[in-house]
Amino acid sequence: NAGVTQTPKFQVLKTGQSMTLQCAQDMNHNSMYWYRQDPGMGLRLIYYSASEGTTDKGEVPNGYNVSRLNKREFSLRLESAAPSQTSVYFCASRKQETQYFGPGTRLLVL
Amino acid sequence: ILNVEQSPQSLHVQEGDSTNFTCSFPSSNFYALHWYRWETAKSPEALFVMTLNGDEKKKGRISATLNTKEGYSYLYIKGSQPEDSATYLCAFDKAAGNKLTFGGGTRVLVKP
Repeated sequence: NAGVTQTPKFQVLKTGQSMTLQCAQDMNHNSMYWYRQDPGMGLRLIYYSASEGTTDKGEVPNGYNVSRLNKREFSLRLESAAPSQTSVYFCASRKQETQYFGPGTRLLVL
Repeated sequence: ILNVEQSPQSLHVQEGDSTNFTCSFPSSNFYALHWYRWETAKSPEALFVMTLNGDEKKKGRISATLNTKEGYSYLYIKGSQPEDSATYLCAFDKAAGNKLTFGGGTRVLVKP
């Protein structure tokens, strides 16, 4: 039981490049989330998916798109990366009241 | 945007001392208040989920209280140890929302 996994762990992009952050969970949870973590700002919700086939915007969705491919997988896409998207990205899934977090992806946009 | 505030942002504690810090959140549309412990280079881990006004939860030397009417929660660490060094996050769970709004965290450093 791996819990929540994320790939890659670290990525460097140039401004304007695109990439997809992958997230998968093996706990059969319905809800999944993408957060970004910036110094002094805690975790901010980018997008979430309450169930397979549905996605909703969070607090900071601009510049991102998501896909809930199936119940296990929830991907985050940056179509044209900007330096302001340099951050640590966390994926999470939820069972009842508790969210379980992945190990994070550290993204640097130059 | 919901306002979830934590104070202080950071604090240094001498080993063996006790400490506490605050999370304030909206007092309306309350469903639950979560506390997470986040060690450097790791993922946040759930400590407590609190749902009832007056609730008190305890896990070892860490405990938390909840006041939903005035919109605040305290987290206490008794007899701090270096392994308690971490960032402690609270998160507001709005009724029928299915998503959490996190505070900025309180970074605790316990000095031997």
